[in-house]
Amino acid sequence: TQLLEQSPQFLSIQEGENLTVYCNSSSVFSSLQWYRQEPGEGPVLLVTVVTGGEVKKLKRLTFQFGDARKDSSLHITAAQPGDTGLYLCAGGGGKDSNYQLIWGAGTKLIIKP
Amino acid sequence: GAGVSQSPSNKVTEKGKDVELRCDPISGHTALYWYRQSLGQGLEFLIYFQGNSAPDKSGLPSDRFSAERTGGSVSTLTIQRTQQEDSAVYLCASSLERGLVIGQFFGPGTRLTVL
Repeated sequence: TQLLEQSPQFLSIQEGENLTVYCNSSSVFSSLQWYRQEPGEGPVLLVTVVTGGEVKKLKRLTFQFGDARKDSSLHITAAQPGDTGLYLCAGGGGKDSNYQLIWGAGTKLIIKP
Repeated sequence: GAGVSQSPSNKVTEKGKDVELRCDPISGHTALYWYRQSLGQGLEFLIYFQGNSAPDKSGLPSDRFSAERTGGSVSTLTIQRTQQEDSAVYLCASSLERGLVIGQFFGPGTRLTVL
């Protein structure tokens, strides 16, 4: 069974600080996606990474896919209150998972002004 | 609209009653997913429809849960004889194929409260 573990589960920091959220597994994934979900809404895709070692940047957000495609990180520079939300990672599963997305449990991020 | 829509947005029901939740996916998306999310938690996969193939029902928690997708578009999730533990937000998502690269597009969810 493919599993994704996210850490930390909860993070509350001051505006302007940097932070990193991790998504780890012992399994290899074909792709890795990061979503952000705000209260009362569904998750919204931020990025997909597909190549081991790939780094993508989205303004102040930097996403990295591990070389072995088993883990990923999301780094936010100079966090803003608008970054507050639930961050979810999801990995593209293999045959054993019926080629479905495998979801992490999420990191709840609060940025205090 | 161009996005995934769900109705109702909120549903309060009494224990033992049946409920139906509706999802209108993005036009042209062949894949449709139902998930359940408890407060502030991750997503629990329920069921997956892909085109005309038999649905993947492996995530349904009990036989009180069922879902249909008519004409490859609109989907209805039915929960029979609701229990208090069924209280959660039910999210629908659609995608081209399985969304492993381009991602899944989510509706705003239906918040179900069972009293």
